Amino acid sequence: KAGVTQTPRYLIKTRGQQVTLSCSPISGHRSVSWYQQTPGQGLQFLFEYFSETQRNKGNFPGRFSGRQFSNSRSEMNVSTLELGDSALYLCASRGTSGYYEQYFGPGTRLTVT
Amino acid sequence: AQKVTQAQTEISVVEKEDVTLDCVYETRDTTYYLFWYKQPPSGELVFLIRRNSFDEQNEISGRYSWNFQKSTSSFNFTITASQVVDSAVYFCALSEASDKIIFGKGTRLHILP
Repeated sequence: KAGVTQTPRYLIKTRGQQVTLSCSPISGHRSVSWYQQTPGQGLQFLFEYFSETQRNKGNFPGRFSGRQFSNSRSEMNVSTLELGDSALYLCASRGTSGYYEQYFGPGTRLTVT
Repeated sequence: AQKVTQAQTEISVVEKEDVTLDCVYETRDTTYYLFWYKQPPSGELVFLIRRNSFDEQNEISGRYSWNFQKSTSSFNFTITASQVVDSAVYFCALSEASDKIIFGKGTRLHILP
């Protein structure tokens, strides 16, 4: 089974721009979560989608949004980028039937200049 | 509120030594899940183990072992006969029924040849 894939792997954007990151979960997984990882704050939960509905949301400003499609693929969007948004963005998928661990993709390294 | 504390920020040991990574958690739920993940330099988080709150059995997998103690709210991870390839950042994490996973700040482990 293929793992979680994320595109692009690296991205450089300028302050004020917006960005969209993509995540394809493991086949059959319907839950997709997004995390931001920075040296200072560590791994922080952004949001989780299940069957195209947002189920959980972390403490991030409204500039961070996401969505999930009917094939479970998910996108995350950050508008009006700030320097502090530079981070590794990780996507994780989870199966059903009582398995609670999440499987992570390789991440997208976003640099905002 | 849920919280995961990994007090050891960074540990260095010489190859073949045993090393224990500490994890202390806080939760008000009686049903919860604990995890350990490994993040090698490549950046991808690799799932190592899941434990649910009703299963206090310790687990051994090769050179890895985990000690779960509800009485002290701890879920420690021991690597026996460490190898250079074990060098990575290790995260302990907690999930309650909401499925959101809360991560500790991580412990950076250096195995010196």
